[in-house]
Amino acid sequence: GQNIDQPTEMTATEGAIVQINCTYQTSGFNGLFWYQQHAGEAPTFLSYNVLDGLEEKGRFSSFLSRSKGYSYLLLKELQMKDSASYLCAVRPTTGFQKLVFGTGTRLLVSP
Amino acid sequence: DTAVSQTPKYLVTQMGNDKSIKCEQNLGHDTMYWYKQDSKKFLKIMFSYNNKELIINETVPNRFSPKSPDKAHLNLHINSLELGDSAVYFCASVLGGTGANVLTFGAGSRLTVL
Repeated sequence: GQNIDQPTEMTATEGAIVQINCTYQTSGFNGLFWYQQHAGEAPTFLSYNVLDGLEEKGRFSSFLSRSKGYSYLLLKELQMKDSASYLCAVRPTTGFQKLVFGTGTRLLVSP
Repeated sequence: DTAVSQTPKYLVTQMGNDKSIKCEQNLGHDTMYWYKQDSKKFLKIMFSYNNKELIINETVPNRFSPKSPDKAHLNLHINSLELGDSAVYFCASVLGGTGANVLTFGAGSRLTVL
């Protein structure tokens, strides 16, 4: 089976740093993705990890530990526009993409 | 210039009706998907087509029938709509479907069944 867990909601203030955790148990692993979804909009791609370690992309970084079934998304210098849901998704197998999504973490950034 | 476009964006209908949602992508991708996002924001895969061939078919009631006339289009037809079908349906596409290739999502079609 596939199980992907994230906190339901987090709050933070503008300018701060926030870490959104994701743990997964899937039948196979072939990559982990983070997507951002603003209310009423489509999910948009943020980051991709397939090997252990940290991937940095501007204010956003994503970390993966395959042995622990764990990833986090780190958002630095938070801005109001970062208020959104953050979806962790795992691709369980090789071959054609079948992304299995977690329930998402709603991040509220306050002034 | 929309990369993945879905129509309609909103759909309100009565139980028992039949409705369709259309999706088109102009990215040259060869793999397309339908995902359903429920009221709890859980995004779940329904179907996937690669070059018009069905490759993923999750446990979805057979009232849902996807159709891909060509690799740029994937439509979703739903028969005998039920209250539980109310959700946002997202179309997505990707090139190749492996590696770091990223799914591009459409803006979603919000279906409300009364």
